[in-house]
Amino acid sequence: DTGVSQNPRHKITKRGQNVTFRCDPISEHNRLYWYRQTLGQGPEFLTYFQNEAQLEKSRLLSDRFSAERPKGSFSTLEIQRTEQGDSAMYLCASSLEGFDGYTFGSGTRLTVV
Amino acid sequence: AQTVTQSQPEMSVQEAETVTLSCTYDTSENNYYLFWYKQPPSRQMILVIRQEAYKQQNATENRFSVNFQKAAKSFSLKISDSQLGDTAMYFCAFMVANAGKSTFGDGTTLTVKP
Repeated sequence: DTGVSQNPRHKITKRGQNVTFRCDPISEHNRLYWYRQTLGQGPEFLTYFQNEAQLEKSRLLSDRFSAERPKGSFSTLEIQRTEQGDSAMYLCASSLEGFDGYTFGSGTRLTVV
Repeated sequence: AQTVTQSQPEMSVQEAETVTLSCTYDTSENNYYLFWYKQPPSRQMILVIRQEAYKQQNATENRFSVNFQKAAKSFSLKISDSQLGDTAMYFCAFMVANAGKSTFGDGTTLTVKP
């Protein structure tokens, strides 16, 4: 297993465009998480899945954000009508139980211009 | 809601010396987990050490150990024999048992000087 994989590594988009990120977790991990990290701050929770079920979604996640994990394997995070405030590093992580700690991917850095 | 506070934005230590990073948290929960993660420059975040709140014994992983004070809601990380490769941002995180999400502090940037 090569760990948690995120694509793309970098994305530059114009304001108002839609973007989609992909995360491939460690295959035996049933939990998958999305976090957002801005410079100088800790990761901020967005949402998480157990298998294909989305169990929790942050109140900070506006209607422009949607995440899916259709077959309980990879996940996608889509941001519609991007705004400059969406510029951040989007981190994906996976775990077996949660309390065992996360394995993070390298993240997708989004820049909205 | 849980909060995690790391009061030291930046710290430095000489190679081979010992350094302690502070973390405090606030919660009304009794059963939870605490973590320290390391994020090297331009590299992915990795788990350093974890602690179950119901265990009184402090966790240890090689040169890394914690001082867990449940009553004081304190969870500090001690790095012994610091190495240049320890230079990174360190995040303290909290997770309620049976919950999904973790709450992270804003991190401490540690620089190990040769």
